[in-house]
Amino acid sequence: DAGVIQSPRHEVTEMGQEVTLRCKPISGHDYLFWYRQTMMRGLELLIYFNNNVPIDDSGMPEDRFSAKMPNASFSTLKIQPSEPRDSAVYFCASRDRTSPDTDTQYFGPGTRLTVL
Amino acid sequence: AQKITQTQPGMFVQEKEAVTLDCTYDTSDQSYGLFWYKQPSSGEMIFLIYQGSYDEQNATEGRYSLNFQKARKSANLVISASQLGDSAMYFCAMTPTNTGNQFYFGTGTSLTVIP
Repeated sequence: DAGVIQSPRHEVTEMGQEVTLRCKPISGHDYLFWYRQTMMRGLELLIYFNNNVPIDDSGMPEDRFSAKMPNASFSTLKIQPSEPRDSAVYFCASRDRTSPDTDTQYFGPGTRLTVL
Repeated sequence: AQKITQTQPGMFVQEKEAVTLDCTYDTSDQSYGLFWYKQPSSGEMIFLIYQGSYDEQNATEGRYSLNFQKARKSANLVISASQLGDSAMYFCAMTPTNTGNQFYFGTGTSLTVIP
């Protein structure tokens, strides 16, 4: 089985530009999570979806961040406009609560975002 | 409030030796899951091992075992026969089983395996 797929793996952009990060969860998983990792703050949960519906977006830092999940196999995290402090590694993870191994989250390889 | 504590920011171990990475947690939930993830320098987060709070036996996965002491609220990772490829950051995490989907991560321990 393919794992969680994220694209791009690296993104370098200039302040003020729009950035879109993409994620394809593991097939059959019904939960999808977006995390941000920085040296200062560690791993932070930004938002998560259940069956394509956003459940908790309390971790989204501000209105510049938005996330969508139009179908079970695709999600996007958008930052508009981007700022240098958004530079971080963004992870997508998925989870299958209908399986016996219900709690484990499987992470994608991450997108390293640099905003100049 | 949930909290995960990893007190060892950095650890060194000789190749082929065993090493224990410490993790303590604080929760009022009765049912929860404990996890360890490995993050090598390439950046991906790799799931290693899982322990349920009601599991009486310690979890094992190959060279990884989780030393679960519920009364002490500790969930230490033991890596046996260390290999150079084990050099990485290791994160302990916890999630309440029935009350939500939040994963609580520790700050991580950097492990370096010395040849």
